[in-house]
Amino acid sequence: DAGVTQSPTHLIKTRGQQVTLRCSPKSGHDTVSWYQQALGQGPQFIFQYYEEEERQRGNFPDRFSGHQFPNYSSELNVNALLLGDSALYLCASSALQREETQYFGPGTRLLVL
Amino acid sequence: AQTVTQSQPEMSVQEAETVTLSCTYDTSESDYYLFWYKQPPSRQMILVIRQEAYKQQNATENRFSVNFQKAAKSFSLKISDSQLGDAAMYFCAYRSLPGNTPLVFGKGTRLSVIA
Repeated sequence: DAGVTQSPTHLIKTRGQQVTLRCSPKSGHDTVSWYQQALGQGPQFIFQYYEEEERQRGNFPDRFSGHQFPNYSSELNVNALLLGDSALYLCASSALQREETQYFGPGTRLLVL
Repeated sequence: AQTVTQSQPEMSVQEAETVTLSCTYDTSESDYYLFWYKQPPSRQMILVIRQEAYKQQNATENRFSVNFQKAAKSFSLKISDSQLGDAAMYFCAYRSLPGNTPLVFGKGTRLSVIA
């Protein structure tokens, strides 16, 4: 049973560029949440997708957007990258109806130069 | 809004000894979940233990146990018989009910295990 997977593992971009990160949830999970983890900090909630819709959103600007596909996989898009967007981006999946624990992927390390 | 505080940025323990990591949280809710996650250098966030607030019994998973004090809003993690593989960042997290609400994390405690 595959766990949560994320791609790519590392990414380097320059200011002003756009980036897309991808996540495949654990088998049997239908909900995907994205978190940003700055160096030396705990993860911060960006948004959550269920049934292909954004259900909840944290305190992030609309430069951060996402999408969920019919197979429950998800993308996180960040436009007009800033130096401060450099962080580890974590995807977590869960099953909404079972109120199950969120399981995390290995993350994507984004560096903005 | 809920907040989670981990007041120990770094801790160390001798191999085979016991260590306790502290966590306090602030909430006005009566039902919620609390978690401890471990993040080794590989970056993968791994669930260590979970506690439902409505359960008075403290959760235990092998060498890991918690001391949940609901009135004091305290949720500490005890690691017994510490092993080198326990070295990692440990994050305390809170989740409201119902539904799949987001996790609120503390800033983490870096645990070193000394051989």
